[in-house]
Amino acid sequence: ELKVEQNPLFLSMQEEKNYTIYCNYSTTSDRLYWYRQDPGKSLESLFVLLSNGAVKQEGRLMASLDTKARLSTLHITAAVHDLSATYFCAVGDSGGGADGLTFGKGTHLIIQP
Amino acid sequence: GAGVSQTPSNKVTEKGKYVELRCDPISGHTALYWYRQSLGQGPEFLIYFQGTGAADDSGLPNDRFFAVRPEGSVSTLKIQRTERGDSAVYLCASSFAFRTDTQYFGPGTRLTVL
Repeated sequence: ELKVEQNPLFLSMQEEKNYTIYCNYSTTSDRLYWYRQDPGKSLESLFVLLSNGAVKQEGRLMASLDTKARLSTLHITAAVHDLSATYFCAVGDSGGGADGLTFGKGTHLIIQP
Repeated sequence: GAGVSQTPSNKVTEKGKYVELRCDPISGHTALYWYRQSLGQGPEFLIYFQGTGAADDSGLPNDRFFAVRPEGSVSTLKIQRTERGDSAVYLCASSFAFRTDTQYFGPGTRLTVL
């Protein structure tokens, strides 16, 4: 059974600082996604990572994937208040498991002005 | 273009009642997913449709839950004999075709079972 662990689960940081959110998963995967969720809202797609070594960047966010370590990171550079949200990684099982995605518990990020 | 839409946005029902939740995917998307999100948790997969057929229903918690997609577009999630533990936000997502395509999520239906 595919398990996805994110850490930290809660993160309070100051503007202009850098930080990284980690996503570990337990079995082989052919796809990994990062989503953002604002309070009371649905999920917004941020990145799709499909191969080992993949790196995607959008603004102050950068995501990478290491399939050998079964690890993805979401790096935040020079954080701004607008990035406050909950971030989820979601992993697809390529080993015959469910076709749907398995989500981590989410990282609740608060960026203080 | 329009995103994924879900109706109703909120549904309050009594224990034991039957409910239907509707999802209208992005036009042209053949893949459709239902997830359930409890407070403070990540979404949990329920069922996946490819076209009209349920390709994977391994996430449905029990036989009180059923979903259909008769014409390969709109889908309905049906819950019989609702229980208080069914209270959650039910999310629908669609993607273009392939398993690696991005899943786009709708706004969800908040179900409260009293």
